[in-house]
Amino acid sequence: QKEVEQDPGPLSVPEGAIVSLNCTYSNSAFQYFMWYRQYSRKGPELLMYTYSSGNKEDGRFTAQVDKSSKYISLFIRDSQPSDSATYLCAMKNTGGFKTIFGAGTRLFVKA
Amino acid sequence: DAMVIQNPRYQVTQFGKPVTLSCSQTLNHNVMYWYQQKSSQAPKLLFHYYDKDFNNEADTPDNFQSRRPNTSFCFLDIRSPGLGDTAMYLCATSTQIRGAGWDTEAFFGQGTRLTVV
Repeated sequence: QKEVEQDPGPLSVPEGAIVSLNCTYSNSAFQYFMWYRQYSRKGPELLMYTYSSGNKEDGRFTAQVDKSSKYISLFIRDSQPSDSATYLCAMKNTGGFKTIFGAGTRLFVKA
Repeated sequence: DAMVIQNPRYQVTQFGKPVTLSCSQTLNHNVMYWYQQKSSQAPKLLFHYYDKDFNNEADTPDNFQSRRPNTSFCFLDIRSPGLGDTAMYLCATSTQIRGAGWDTEAFFGQGTRLTVV
């Protein structure tokens, strides 16, 4: 079993839709949770960074962490064609430098 | 703008011919990482530097080496590239929280897409 599981998609939605992206994980020691956006042939760009459980909102993006269920989510409101990219979840514990990534979900937002 | 810069963006090399990828940063971060990302896969950590201390992942092949001559620069050397080393190579940086054994979130460069032929 992988430490982080993420549905690869692709996920196709119409412009303006609410998008929900999810990851599950197995290591209960993870404390820091990130979402990265990666456009084709580019490096990952940090979108959201949260610590422990709870919600964090930044503009159209909301990150949720449920440590009891080992489940994290990223919601994108009013999705735009420019949101079309691969979204990677990532997480780490406080014991070291290693970040574990999911394989990414490909999102297509149709105009 | 402060950033992480990788060169070259695209590199084609022959099977077995050594290749070096470079990364520079203006963020003054003390941790630098190299990741390998194959198509539709998660980035895989190869190694990282905390200041000058080198930390190799257990499953990183010996074929992969790294150098960090100063805070701003880090190099990835692939001594004898194989066809299976075709991938995107990502450099990232972060800052270790003083007194803690971990670091902040990582900021990535644009990557070098390496093709071995």
